[in-house]
Amino acid sequence: AQKVTQAQTEISVVEKEDVTLDCVYETRDTTYYLFWYKQPPSGELVFLIRRNSFDEQNEISGRYSWNFQKSTSSFNFTITASQVVDSAVYFCALSEASFGNEKLTFGTGTRLTIIP
Amino acid sequence: DTEVTQTPKHLVMGMTNKKSLKCEQHMGHRAMYWYKQKAKKPPELMFVYSYEKLSINESVPSRFSPECPNSSLLNLHLHALQPEDSALYLCASSLQGEGVTDTQYFGPGTRLTVL
Repeated sequence: AQKVTQAQTEISVVEKEDVTLDCVYETRDTTYYLFWYKQPPSGELVFLIRRNSFDEQNEISGRYSWNFQKSTSSFNFTITASQVVDSAVYFCALSEASFGNEKLTFGTGTRLTIIP
Repeated sequence: DTEVTQTPKHLVMGMTNKKSLKCEQHMGHRAMYWYKQKAKKPPELMFVYSYEKLSINESVPSRFSPECPNSSLLNLHLHALQPEDSALYLCASSLQGEGVTDTQYFGPGTRLTVL
């Protein structure tokens, strides 16, 4: 069975600090997909990134970067120079690649608060 | 455009009422999903429709009845709900490419309160 662990329940940092959100996953499949979603107070889940298990290249998008390490089953998310608008709950999710079955297993989420 | 719309934004209903939640997407996606999210918890999958057919029902009580009239529209009919059904109901859609796990795009949700 697949599982996603986000050990950090809540994080608070002062604006402009860097912050890393941890995600550790478990799966028996060799082919799988990892996702990060952002959920601001409005409630909508906003897609941030998708990574497949064969692509370990790290990715940077503006102030956001992701570090995928299969050796440690981790897919961590770093926000550089944080801003108040980054305050939200962030979910890491895992999906095993089987046709017709796109079930997402979510972690419990990390609530990030950026203090102005 | 990765927009999924949901109506209404908020809904308050009594335990004897019948109401419906609506979800719409015009991205040509062929898979649509209903999730339930309680406060401070991750979303929980309820139903999946693939090519307008129900493909997954996560043992959801029959007081929740999904419907997919066409590939762009997904409804969730509610009847005789309990106060513990109060939650944020999220709709999502994905392309459903063959053999590929597609990204799910979520709507803004409907905040349901059952009195």
